[in-house]
Formats: sequence, C-alpha cells, structure tokens
Amino acid sequence: QKEVEQNSGPLSVPEGAIASLNCTYSDRGSQSFFWYRQYSGKSPELIMSIYSNGDKEDGRFTAQLNKASQYVSLLIRDSQPSDSATYLCAVNPSNSGTYKYIFGTGTRLKVLA
Amino acid sequence: DAGITQSPRYKITETGRQVTLMCHQTWSHSYMFWYRQDLGHGLRLIYYSAAADITDKGEVPDGYVVSRSKTENFPLTLESATRSQTSVYFCASKSGGADTQYFGPGTRLTVL
Repeated sequence: QKEVEQNSGPLSVPEGAIASLNCTYSDRGSQSFFWYRQYSGKSPELIMSIYSNGDKEDGRFTAQLNKASQYVSLLIRDSQPSDSATYLCAVNPSNSGTYKYIFGTGTRLKVLA
Repeated sequence: DAGITQSPRYKITETGRQVTLMCHQTWSHSYMFWYRQDLGHGLRLIYYSAAADITDKGEVPDGYVVSRSKTENFPLTLESATRSQTSVYFCASKSGGADTQYFGPGTRLTVL
C-alpha cells in the first residue's frame, strides 16, 4: 500500500513567522510531488509542484524535496492569517503509469494574528 | 462559464437508492478524476479517465460506476448507496501535458 503521511496538526504559528509543513511518502520511485491548499468547505487548489531534489521557491512558498529521505516539505514565509487552511501533500507514484495521485490527510495550519 | 462544475452540490439519499453525481468541465481536458474526502482519510481516488471511453479504477472503486461518453462530462453513479458512502465528492480535471489538477466545488452526499 503506497502511503503519504502528514501530521494532522493543527500547526499554530504567529503572523509573520515561517510555517513548516512536512510530508513523507513510501514509494521510493515517486517522481511528482504537489502541495495543495484547502480552505474549510472549499476545494483543493494547487500551490506548488516539485519534481527534483532541492528547493523550489514561488513567492512566500518554498517546496523542498529530498528523495533519498522520502520527504517533501512546504515552507511558508511571513505567514498571514489568510494562510490558515489545510495543506495537502500529493504524490504521483512511480509505477502508476498514469495519474493515480495519492494524497496525505493534510495538515491544518492556523496563523495567529 | 468556463471551469469545472459539479451537481448537485448537496444531496441526501437513502440506503439502497441509486445516485448520480455530475461533473462537467469546459476546458476540454483529457483527464478527469473522482475523489472522495473523509475525515481521517484525506482525498482518495475513486476512478479516473484519460479520455472519452477510457476509465480506470482508483484506490476505492467498489460501489461506484463511471462513464465518459463525452470529453466534458464524467458522471459518478452509486448504484445502491450505502451509509459508508456518505462523503464529500470532488471531481477534478487536467490537461494531458500538465500535472495541475483543477478541482470542482464538491458535492456533499449524505446517505441515511
């Protein structure tokens, strides 16, 4: 059973701080990794994708991938109350040959004003 | 309007009834997906489709049927609803050359 694990939280950070969200996956051959943000009662929206080891930055968001350790993380700099949401990690497993994404259960982030 | 829509947005039904959830996208995306989201389980793939008339099972397909006669529509049918199928159902689509999935607004289904 291929798995994607996330701490459910809530992760509480003060406004302006860096929020660090982590995700581990079991399929060592996975190639594509994604972070989705989901506000309460809304649908998920993609905020970052990463395919290679290292960091990928987009505005206040940085995704980090370490395939050897099988983890992917998301850093949110200068956290704002509007960042309060559930963040879902998703992985496209290597052997699917398709797009059978596996999602983690999500980490709830609370940014305190 | 362009985008991906789902109907109905809310549905209450009884055990044993057949229910069909509709999904429609206007982007001509080749791929479409159905997920269910439950507390403690996150998003789980039920079925996906790579093109019209091409469908494949996901992680939790039992009790569900899909069809895709037209590229823009991907209905999900619960042939005989059970209480365990109470969930929020999301449809998503993506183009063949990209990884970004675009999600519909979801359908909250309650099976009594």
